[in-house]
Amino acid sequence: AQKVTQAQTEISVVEKEDVTLDCVYETRDTTYYLFWYKQPPSGELVFLIRRNSFDEQNEISGRYSWNFQKSTSSFNFTITASQVVDSAVYFCALSEYYNTDKLIFGTGTRLQVFP
Amino acid sequence: EAGVTQFPSHSVIEKGQTVTLRCDPISGHDNLYWYRRVMGKEIKFLLHFVKESKQDESGMPNNRFLAERTGGTYSTLKVQPAELEDSGVYFCASSQDNNRGSLLNTEAFFGQGTRLTVV
Repeated sequence: AQKVTQAQTEISVVEKEDVTLDCVYETRDTTYYLFWYKQPPSGELVFLIRRNSFDEQNEISGRYSWNFQKSTSSFNFTITASQVVDSAVYFCALSEYYNTDKLIFGTGTRLQVFP
Repeated sequence: EAGVTQFPSHSVIEKGQTVTLRCDPISGHDNLYWYRRVMGKEIKFLLHFVKESKQDESGMPNNRFLAERTGGTYSTLKVQPAELEDSGVYFCASSQDNNRGSLLNTEAFFGQGTRLTVV
């Protein structure tokens, strides 16, 4: 079965702290895609990153970085020097190669960054 | 360019009533998806349109839910009659046609969701 687990329901940090959001996935496919979405208070889901299973290189985009490890089926997301504007619910998602149109989401992690 | 638009943003209805949610995708996007998040749980796929055709409706919970996409533009999701367990946030997303068979995939753009409360 395909499944995405985000074990952290809620995380609170103080501004400028680093924070890592965990994502563990299960899939039978050897080829698949992983995603992170951000849901700010306004409600829409904002795309952050897509990574295919062939590419295990870590990615950095400004204060955001992603650590993809196939050996542990994890795709963790780190925010460096967090800011209040990072407060949101973050969702990790999986889509399989032969059904790329269906995203399988985790339950989300609510991040609160306090000033 | 306008994003994915959903209407209404909130709806409170009584059990047994009918509600229709609307989604306007990004212009030119053939793919349109409906997802739902029940409080505190994961966002779950409901169905997928390619233009006006239902490509995959495996996530539709039961026959009280009816989705349409006439003319391949906007889509509606009707719940009739609504039950308490239908409460949640209904998201719509759209994407351009992707290139199956390659490692390319296209980004799905989501709307702000419709929060449905059935009392």
